Formats: sequence, structure tokens, C-alpha cells
Amino acid sequence: GAGVSQSPRYKVAKRGQDVALRCDPISGHVSLFWYQQALGQGPEFLTYFQNEAQLDKSGLPSDRFFAERPEGSVSTLKIQRTQQEDSAVYLCASSLRGAGRNEKLFFGSGTQLSVL
Amino acid sequence: QQPVQSPQAVILREGEDAVINCSSSKALYSVHWYRQKHGEAPVFLMILLKGGEQKGHEKISASFNEKKQQSSLYLTASQLSYSGTYFCGTERARAGTALIFGKGTTLSVSS
Repeated sequence: GAGVSQSPRYKVAKRGQDVALRCDPISGHVSLFWYQQALGQGPEFLTYFQNEAQLDKSGLPSDRFFAERPEGSVSTLKIQRTQQEDSAVYLCASSLRGAGRNEKLFFGSGTQLSVL
Repeated sequence: QQPVQSPQAVILREGEDAVINCSSSKALYSVHWYRQKHGEAPVFLMILLKGGEQKGHEKISASFNEKKQQSSLYLTASQLSYSGTYFCGTERARAGTALIFGKGTTLSVSS
């Protein structure tokens, strides 16, 4: 596709349930980022991949959050034992080259996760 | 290290001007600006690099003062389509780090 694609668009989970959020970046983009956006807030950094290597996972809020990008393209963000505070929009973004310098991010529309 | 944006919200009529500010307590390499409409993905507007460059996008321009770690976004003769939430994203003076975004400034333009 032409842009960053995320699925599902909406996800409702019961507290304690595991969820998996998918991101399809723009073809050929080296870098992939996950952000968490709470209602009325700015995107908060979670983790960053360059190809298949996870270079920064300092933003993951707990060990319940796990991300992977095994073949350097599609990425999955997994949240285990979801809690109500995990409710947010999860945004994925990609960029052509490595993080930093002159690299604009292309965002997907996000997955809105609601934990009941 | 999250940049601070001000004001939190701006209400304008079509044709009026607005300035949105972004400041950081840390040394910055660059500042990025994005606009997000409700329920949509953030969309890139421009990048400001060290050197105080001013970049323009339609009637939207910006400046970056790296000595003060501040950037300002100037919206001139606002249009209805400018409504949305504006985020600045800052990049520390170290390569390979992801953008850190401010909390956003919500702009509402009415006719």
C-alpha cells in the first residue's frame, strides 16, 4: 500500500487478556516506531526498530509490552495481561532511513485499544 | 525531556494569525512539526534543523533557535483546514534517537 497500515483499527479487550497489534510500514522503509497516545495527549515513544533490530525499547512501560519485527518489515506490538491504563491509541510510524536527521515520519491511523 | 508547547489551545477566525511555541530543556538537533486531525494519523509539516532555518509549508512557517532550544510555528491567514492539533517533536543532539513529542496545541478555526 501507499501508506502505513495498522490493524485492527479498534480493539476491545477484557482486563487480563493478551492483545497483538500489527503495523505494515511503507515498503522499503528502514525504521519503524511505536508510540502510545492517550486521549488529549501527544504521542509517547515506546520502541524503535531499524530493519529487524530493536535499537531502543526504553519507552515500553512494563515487561508486559513486547514488540518484534522479525523480517524487517511488518511489526507486531504485543501487550500481555492488559490493564485499564493500557487503553490508548497505539500509533506506528515509519521512515525511509535511520532515526534522526531529516527523516520525516509517516504515521498510520493507529489502533484504538480499550481495556474493560 | 518532553518538549513544552504553548498555548494549549487557540481559537481563531478565518484569516487570523497564530503562533505556537515549543521549548525544551535539553540541547536539540532538530525540531519537527506535525498536525493531527481528530481520529486521523499525524501528518508531517516540516523539519527545522540547527542553524535557525525557517521552513515554509503553504502559509505555515517556523523558526528554530537552537541556543534557546525553542521553535515557533507561525500560521498566517488561517484557513478552516488548519484546524487540528499541532505537535512538535524534538530530536536530541545525538543521532539515532526517536522523536519525543509535546502534548500538543489544539487549533480551532471558524468561519
